Amino acid sequence: GQQVMQIPQYQHVQEGEDFTTYCNSSTTLSNIQWYKQRPGGHPVFLIQLVKSGEVKKQKRLTFQFGEAKKNSSLHITATQTTDVGTYFCAESTVGGGADGLTFGKGTHLIIQP
Amino acid sequence: GAGVSQSPRYKVAKRGQDVALRCDPISGHVSLFWYQQALGQGPEFLTYFQNEAQLDKSGLPSDRFFAERPEGSVSTLKIQRTQQEDSAVYLCASSPMTHYNEQFFGPGTRLTVL
Repeated sequence: GQQVMQIPQYQHVQEGEDFTTYCNSSTTLSNIQWYKQRPGGHPVFLIQLVKSGEVKKQKRLTFQFGEAKKNSSLHITATQTTDVGTYFCAESTVGGGADGLTFGKGTHLIIQP
Repeated sequence: GAGVSQSPRYKVAKRGQDVALRCDPISGHVSLFWYQQALGQGPEFLTYFQNEAQLDKSGLPSDRFFAERPEGSVSTLKIQRTQQEDSAVYLCASSPMTHYNEQFFGPGTRLTVL
C-alpha cells in the first residue's frame, strides 16, 4: 500500500535554531496533511496541502508540497521550547474526511535550551 | 466546545480477555476513524465509518478486532481474546465532512495486555 517516508527520525536542535522535516513518497500523493503530537498527547492537525508546488505559512512554520506531488516539507524558523513534539505527515487517497490517513513514522523534535 | 472523547483512558487486560473501547466524536461529525499507535510510531489506520456505515475496515489486523457505530455517533472498538501485540494506544478521530477536512483526534486509550 501507499507509504510515506519521513526523515529524519530524530532531530536535536538548540533553541533558536531552524528545523526541517521531509516527507517522501514513491508515488504521486493526492494531498498531504501535517500533524503535531506533543509528548503524551494526541495528533493535532496543522495544515493540508493539495496543489502541486503549494507553499503555506503559519507564523514560524512553512509547509511545501513538491511540484511532482511526491514530497513535502515542514520548516520551523527559530525553534522554541513549545515546538517540542513529533511531526507527522499523512496522506489521504480521497481526502482527509473521507478515508483513513496513512501516516509517516514522524520526526521527533528535541529542543535543548 | 467539546472535542473527541475516549474512554477508558487506560486499560490493562490479561491476555485472552475481551476489551471494549469507546469513542464519542464531535457532535455532528459524519466521519469517524480508528487508529492504532504503537510506541514511537505513527498512527496506523484501522477502520472508517461514514455515519453508521463502516466503509473501510481494511486496517483491522485480525478478526479479533470489531468496530461498530450503530446510531452514527458513538463508536465502540472491541478486541476479543487480547494478545500482547495488541498493546498500543488506540486513537479515535472524527471529521465533519466527507472530503478534504482535517481529522480531530481524541486523547486515545492506552491498552496494555499482560
